[in-house]
Amino acid sequence: QVQLMQSGAEVQKPGASVKLSCRASGYTFAHYALHWVRQAPGQSLEWMGWINSGNGNTEHAEKFQGRVAIYRDTSAAIVYMELSSLRSEDTAMYFCARLVKKDYFDSRGHFDLWGRGTLITVSS
Amino acid sequence: EIVMTQSPATLSVSPGDRATLSCRARQSVSSNLAWYQHKPGQAPRLLIYGASTRATGVPVRFSGSGSGTEFTLTISGLQSEDFAIYYCQQYDNWPPFTFGPGTRVEI
Repeated sequence: QVQLMQSGAEVQKPGASVKLSCRASGYTFAHYALHWVRQAPGQSLEWMGWINSGNGNTEHAEKFQGRVAIYRDTSAAIVYMELSSLRSEDTAMYFCARLVKKDYFDSRGHFDLWGRGTLITVSS
Repeated sequence: EIVMTQSPATLSVSPGDRATLSCRARQSVSSNLAWYQHKPGQAPRLLIYGASTRATGVPVRFSGSGSGTEFTLTISGLQSEDFAIYYCQQYDNWPPFTFGPGTRVEI
């Protein structure tokens, strides 16, 4: 079954770091980029960053520069995202999503497969 | 970044009604727009990409139209399982990908 399985909810204190995982199954892991999108309570979806599952290259949204790290374990088909220096505003549901490109040479594309999300609560 | 807006914020409808949801981009995104359905506790679900192409398995009552800066998602003959939040997302110019604030479709 084609799916993305995400790790379980966590509660973290301000200033701490958190590592989320997203395990892909049912398709060739290296063929699709994986992206991270979060949703704070009552808010819309916010794109955070992505990883090229094939070569490991990553890119992050400017607002998360210096705080986010995305990496992969190709043997296990898992992508991880670490978010550091947590603050209350980081309380959100975090989703991983698979990107389907328009074509091989065009990096634009839509998210055709999503995980169910990992709830991260930042509270003292 | 390309700012996306959606209207209305909430749409109150009845089963069997037709729902029309709007999405606007501050600048042209061509046809590089997707619609997602999101229910609490579930993964977002892709409905439409390329502004008008239904994703695999999406019922024909869902249709998308528009290009440039104005887009519409139409749900014809609303069913109980369609009550959810709908987001539009542009992928014409990234990073970052940007999403609209969502339209809640409720009874």
